[in-house]
Amino acid sequence: DQQVKQNSPSLSVQEGRISILNCDYTNSMFDYFLWYKKYPAEGPTFLISISSIKDKNEDGRFTVFLNKSAKHLSLHIVPSQPGDSAVYFCAASETGTASKLTFGTGTRLQVTL
Amino acid sequence: GAGVSQSPRYKVTKRGQDVALRCDPISGHVSLYWYRQALGQGPEFLTYFNYEAQQDKSGLPNDRFSAERPEGSISTLTIQRTEQRDSAMYRCASSLSGTGYEQFFGPGTRLTVL
Repeated sequence: DQQVKQNSPSLSVQEGRISILNCDYTNSMFDYFLWYKKYPAEGPTFLISISSIKDKNEDGRFTVFLNKSAKHLSLHIVPSQPGDSAVYFCAASETGTASKLTFGTGTRLQVTL
Repeated sequence: GAGVSQSPRYKVTKRGQDVALRCDPISGHVSLYWYRQALGQGPEFLTYFNYEAQQDKSGLPNDRFSAERPEGSISTLTIQRTEQRDSAMYRCASSLSGTGYEQFFGPGTRLTVL
């Protein structure tokens, strides 16, 4: 059972436009959410996180939105740059097991010129 | 650099052999995690440590898998009597502490069991 789902395996966006990556979860106990970015031959790199007490967190070009009632979060990248091309993983953890991250299957973002 | 390092980066072994995968976390990081990642999937939790204490090993698939962190720094993940289904990328991560801090991942060890 996939508790964190990223239903779009890939996404292509033109440079300068907005990239929106989506993530759904089924476990209502999840209360901390993270996005990781992964380049080929490297480990995942932390990008941005959000606690369930918030519905938005912003860091430069990256904003994460959380809709708890819909069990849905999204990552917005504005404006998209070619260097943003990577695989993006959504991850979640629950109270009491904050160290155990459950990951989605990833979305490959390609930013074209 | 001062990131998480893992060795070996690649390991090819024959079915039935034991393998030991090593992780050297970021200096000063209290928590250390092991994940396994199959092709086209996200990392899957195996186990984690705070200092030398193994806090959660619920993700270890069976008793052929074990991990230790005897001095609270370097950790070893051991797989005994390897099987072909053990082939995957094994990733280690560390964090300052176990709650609310992002985990920093190493480059991984690609294990292939023939």
